[in-house]
Amino acid sequence: AQSVSQHNHHVILSEAASLELGCNYSYGGTVNLFWYVQYPGQHLQLLLKYFSGDPLVKGIKGFEAEFIKSKFSFNLRKPSVQWSDTAEYFCAVRSYNTDKLIFGTGTRLQVFP
Amino acid sequence: EADIYQTPRYLVIGTGKKITLECSQTMGHDKMYWYQQDPGMELHLIHYSYGVNSTEKGDLSSESTVSRIRTEHFPLTLESARPSHTSQYLCASSGGRMQQETQYFGPGTRLLVL
Repeated sequence: AQSVSQHNHHVILSEAASLELGCNYSYGGTVNLFWYVQYPGQHLQLLLKYFSGDPLVKGIKGFEAEFIKSKFSFNLRKPSVQWSDTAEYFCAVRSYNTDKLIFGTGTRLQVFP
Repeated sequence: EADIYQTPRYLVIGTGKKITLECSQTMGHDKMYWYQQDPGMELHLIHYSYGVNSTEKGDLSSESTVSRIRTEHFPLTLESARPSHTSQYLCASSGGRMQQETQYFGPGTRLLVL
C-alpha cells in the first residue's frame, strides 16, 4: 500500500532560518505530489504541486520543493522563514492509477521572532 | 468567489443524536471528498463522489453516510453519534484535467460527541 512519511513531526526555528521539511513516499510508479499548509484556525491550503516537468517546483510565499525520483522524495524548502510561516505542513501523494490522495502525518512548524 | 463551505464549523452533541455535516462548493467540480483528521495524524479518506448519484467509501471505515443529489452539495450524516466519532471532518473538491487534478479543502467541522 502507498504511504507517505514526514519524518519531522515538530520543527522550531527562529526567523530568517532556513527550512527543509522531509517527505518520502512508497509508491514506485508515476505520481503527483503536493504540499498543503494549514495556518492556525484556517483551512488546508495548497502550497505547491508537482505533476511533471521541472522537478524544482516553486509555490506561494517563497516556498519551493524538489522532486527526486530516485529517492522517492519531495522535500519542502524555504531559504528564510518568517513568523507568519508558523503552521502545519502536509505532504500528499497521488499515484497515476488512483484519484486518492495519501497524506503524511504533518509537520508542525513554529517560528519564533 | 469560488469556494468550499462547511457548516457547522464546531459542533458539540450528545451520544445517540443524528447529525448532518454540510459541504457545498461553488467551484463547479464534479469530484468531492470527505476526510477525517485527528490531532497529529494524517487525513484519512472516508467517502468520495465522482458526480451526482455517485458515492464510494474511502480507505478508512466510517459509520457515516453521504449523498450527492446535487453537484455542489455533499452532506455527511451520522445516524447515531458516539464519542468515537469525535474528530475533525474536512470536505474537499477537485477539478482539472485528468491526472492533473488538485483537491481544494473547506474549513472543516470540529465535532465533539459527549
